[in-house]
Amino acid sequence: ELKVEQNPLFLSMQEGKNYTIYCNYSTTSDRLYWYRQDPGKSLESLFVLLSNGAVKQEGRLMASLDTKARLSTLHITAAVHDLSATYFCAVDYTGNQFYFGTGTSLTVIP
Amino acid sequence: NAGVTQTPKFRVLKTGQSMTLLCAQDMNHEYMYWYRQDPGMGLRLIHYSVGEGTTAKGEVPDGYNVSRLKKQNFLLGLESAAPSQTSVYFCASSRWDRWNTEAFFGQGTRLTVV
Repeated sequence: ELKVEQNPLFLSMQEGKNYTIYCNYSTTSDRLYWYRQDPGKSLESLFVLLSNGAVKQEGRLMASLDTKARLSTLHITAAVHDLSATYFCAVDYTGNQFYFGTGTSLTVIP
Repeated sequence: NAGVTQTPKFRVLKTGQSMTLLCAQDMNHEYMYWYRQDPGMGLRLIHYSVGEGTTAKGEVPDGYNVSRLKKQNFLLGLESAAPSQTSVYFCASSRWDRWNTEAFFGQGTRLTVV
């Protein structure tokens, strides 16, 4: 059974702190995507990771992919309130079928 | 740039009623998808299409039908709505590319079945 698991599901962190969101998946894939969703809004693409060892950075967010461990991480550096949102990872197993994690709801507290 | 457009944005149905959700994309993408999003469950794939005239089942297809008569449009139908189909529905599209299948999402349709 194909599974994509994220943890934590909920994350409350203070501004200025660092934290990592984890995305584990059950079946080999070398294509993983991170999305952001604001309340009541659609999903916005953040990162596209297409090979083992891929690392992408945008502002205070950095994503990495370890296909051997079937693990991706989304690292948040010096969090700010604007990063409050729900973050999803999605794995493409078969070529254009995306399986999503349950999401991590992030709240950054002043 | 319109991207992926869903119609309608909100809808309330009575149990047993039928409706069709429309998704249109202007990016000439081959692949299109319908997902539903429920609290605590992430997004689950209902049906998808790899090209005009083709459709396939996803994780949770029961109670839904789809059609892709034109490349740019993907329709999701509920023949007899049930309260369990109360959800937020997202359409997405992606191009065929061996190396990058990034999906682009519509703004969502919030459906309530009473």
